[in-house]
Amino acid sequence: DTEVTQTPKHLVMGMTNKKSLKCEQHMGHRAMYWYKQKAKKPPELMFVYSYEKLSINESVPSRFSPECPNSSLLNLHLHALQPEDSALYLCASSQERRGSSYNEQFFGPGTRLTVL
Amino acid sequence: AQSVTQLDSHVSVSEGTPVLLRCNYSSSYSPSLFWYVQHPNKGLQLLLKYTSAATLVKGINGFEAEFKKSETSFHLTKPSAHMSDAAEYFCVVADRGSTLGRLYFGRGTQLTVWP
Repeated sequence: DTEVTQTPKHLVMGMTNKKSLKCEQHMGHRAMYWYKQKAKKPPELMFVYSYEKLSINESVPSRFSPECPNSSLLNLHLHALQPEDSALYLCASSQERRGSSYNEQFFGPGTRLTVL
Repeated sequence: AQSVTQLDSHVSVSEGTPVLLRCNYSSSYSPSLFWYVQHPNKGLQLLLKYTSAATLVKGINGFEAEFKKSETSFHLTKPSAHMSDAAEYFCVVADRGSTLGRLYFGRGTQLTVWP
């Protein structure tokens, strides 16, 4: 299985709602990532988990809360979002190799989030 | 520091003609380089990767790229464009010294293919 899956595909939420995005991979990858992508822009890194521990937080507002319950799952909990948070949220995974020659990432299809 | 410059924000070609998408990179280390493609409202799909083996890299769907260290370039080519190639293409550099998979994306090149 060489696929990263994300649910839901689309999400519309109000600014007072709480929702979660889910990501799953069964490739045995130990690094997982959340990206935010606005229209016509490249993805922007939000968080990196390595061996289920948060390794990188790119100064993301606390209304985004990541969680890695196990090596296959990655969640992004959303609370009190703003309309400018509307974007495509992409999950990715990769093998983490110490002294690795490359860090090829496999991306999921994304969740299209609209905040009203 | 790592960075990527995609020289064209938009490229238009006719179906059956060659495709050239240009990319220059800057890296403090020997880089790993990738091209990803993104179709509308989809995730990113890896087209090909360079990891210090052969400098001419072949990818999926007939694409290939050549790593030229002297020119710090990694241009993407395809001999004959197909309508299905219309998409956004990202040139990406990875820090080979990083174990945490940080990628540096170019701004993207939108490829339009005319019938």
